[in-house]
Amino acid sequence: DAGITQSPRHKVTETGTPVTLRCHQTENHRYMYWYRQDPGHGLRLIHYSYGVKDTDKGEVSDGYSVSRSKTEDFLLTLESATSSQTSVYFCATAAGEWGEKLFFGSGTQLSVL
Amino acid sequence: GQQVMQIPQYQHVQEGEDFTTYCNSSTTLSNIQWYKQRPGGHPVFLIQLVKSGEVKKQNRLPFQFGEAKKNSSLHITATQTTDVGTYFCAGGRNSARQLTFGSGTQLTVLP
Repeated sequence: DAGITQSPRHKVTETGTPVTLRCHQTENHRYMYWYRQDPGHGLRLIHYSYGVKDTDKGEVSDGYSVSRSKTEDFLLTLESATSSQTSVYFCATAAGEWGEKLFFGSGTQLSVL
Repeated sequence: GQQVMQIPQYQHVQEGEDFTTYCNSSTTLSNIQWYKQRPGGHPVFLIQLVKSGEVKKQNRLPFQFGEAKKNSSLHITATQTTDVGTYFCAGGRNSARQLTFGSGTQLTVLP
């Protein structure tokens, strides 16, 4: 698998606090994605990036923001965490945009109490 | 928007029995990808299908893309304990940002 590291692996936080999840890749892939995984919903796209400083919204972007200041790092921020954001978050990368497979990180289990 | 439905949600089989998971899209797809996620793990790419009616194998796992490019299936003959995991289909229109994942089929194989 591609060298994708997510941190932290687990986090417990309280409602209303800001949370930042980090994704770091060593493959020099241009495209990076943040998904959330919930039972019965599969994987849903939150935000994606098609280059440094180039990001756009996915299907479930409300309450989330992202930043990409370097090719290798893609940050996901929950400005004010809510219990509905309790989920497993996966970062993914792709070398290209068209017809490319996704490489996933190991995930971050986030619990918002 | 595009919807991708996957059934069944769960499947329990005895080792050696067959297993099938079905994926159906509300719209015509350009391609479909399949991923496998082991318990506690992350999704791992298995295969991509792009041609109408295509049948393609990834190791011993055969995948099919429907003639109308709106459905796909994975049919495992004689399951093994190593097949345990959740299988996701993801239908797209080429761009990964337009990939829509199904909800997955969780396969349990009893020895």
